[in-house]
Amino acid sequence: KQEVTQIPAALSVPEGENLVLNCSFTDSAIYNLQWFRQDPGKGLTSLLLIQSSQREQTSGRLNASLDKSSGRSTLYIAASQPGDSATYLCAVRGSTGNQFYFGTGTSLTVIP
Amino acid sequence: NAGVTQTPKFRILKIGQSMTLQCTQDMNHNYMYWYRQDPGMGLKLIYYSVGAGITDKGEVPNGYNVSRSTTEDFPLRLELAAPSQTSVYFCAGWDGHTQYFGPGTRLTVL
Repeated sequence: KQEVTQIPAALSVPEGENLVLNCSFTDSAIYNLQWFRQDPGKGLTSLLLIQSSQREQTSGRLNASLDKSSGRSTLYIAASQPGDSATYLCAVRGSTGNQFYFGTGTSLTVIP
Repeated sequence: NAGVTQTPKFRILKIGQSMTLQCTQDMNHNYMYWYRQDPGMGLKLIYYSVGAGITDKGEVPNGYNVSRSTTEDFPLRLELAAPSQTSVYFCAGWDGHTQYFGPGTRLTVL
């Protein structure tokens, strides 16, 4: 059974700092990995999707990497802003089936 | 284009009561999902559907039922509510690339 872990559970940084969020998964047989953002009391919004054949994806100040063989992904946020404060979750889709497995999330606070 | 909508936003149930959480999407997604999110935990899959008339169990289906009579609607039914079902429930549609989530229903069972 796929297990997805995110460390740390919470992170607080001053505005302008670069930061890295971590996601690890136990079964490397994945189809893709996705990073989501969740604001308090809201649903999830997709940020980046990395296919299993890709090493990284970039969108603006966000860069996600994937090392499938070691079961790890990172989300790099450059020049953090208070508006980046949210919970970030990663999810993997197994190589078979159409189910997604979510991590427990990292709660990010960017201090002005 | 409203995306994925859920009703109600909040609900308090007494133990043993029943209710239906509504989910509607206007994005023509064949795939739809129901998740629950407990504090400090990730999302757990309850049920999913690959198209009208087809549903399947996820990781935590006990105590829940679903139906999918149309592409647009995917209601989640709770029978005999228990305190363990206190959670935030999310419905999502999938276009084969990205999942699109509704705003969630916060359910408390007392």
